[in-house]
Amino acid sequence: AQSVSQHNHHVILSEAASLELGCNYSYGGTVNLFWYVQYPGQHLQLLLKYFSGDPLVKGIKGFEAEFIKSKFSFNLRKPSVQWSDTAEYFCAVRGSGGYNKLIFGAGTRLAVHP
Amino acid sequence: GAVVSQHPSRVICKSGTSVKIECRSLDFQATTMFWYRQFPKKSLMLMATSNEGSKATYEQGVEKDKFLINHASLTLSTLTVTSAHPEDSSFYICSARSTGTNTGELFFGEGSRLTVL
Repeated sequence: AQSVSQHNHHVILSEAASLELGCNYSYGGTVNLFWYVQYPGQHLQLLLKYFSGDPLVKGIKGFEAEFIKSKFSFNLRKPSVQWSDTAEYFCAVRGSGGYNKLIFGAGTRLAVHP
Repeated sequence: GAVVSQHPSRVICKSGTSVKIECRSLDFQATTMFWYRQFPKKSLMLMATSNEGSKATYEQGVEKDKFLINHASLTLSTLTVTSAHPEDSSFYICSARSTGTNTGELFFGEGSRLTVL
């Protein structure tokens, strides 16, 4: 069965600090990988996704993630966070093909202090 | 991106009553919609996959008779929580996949917070 593990449940950073959120998955096949963000009081939004090709994917708002197949990882990074990045971040995985269910990690709550 | 809308966004009901939550894809057609439940400080748990014109597929441990799902059209899926109890209080989120893309990207509704007294 597929599963997703996010190592950090709660992260607190100061503005301009660098961010890396860990995500590891378990799935016996080719996967599609996603990072979603949920800002306070808002609904889930897609931050970035990986289907194939360049394992380093760039998303909105300066975020990027790197797919490392050998480590079953898809960590999210941002070189310099802003207060507006305060949100909850979810990693998700789905078997490739587009028609399989999306499974989410537990989420990481990021708080950025000015 | 495509828009998915849920209604109501908040609902409070008495124990034993039933509550219906609607999920609409506003500018695209969705043959498949998913219903998730989000517990406080926890992840989204997939409850069921709703397919237009057919029965929903429920995840293990989810009571199909308690959480009735109907996907009557390509733009509407409903979740009815029957005989609600306080433990059903939660945040329910739907998502829809556009038929117009083969990437299968999901678009999420804003969620519906159910409080059962």
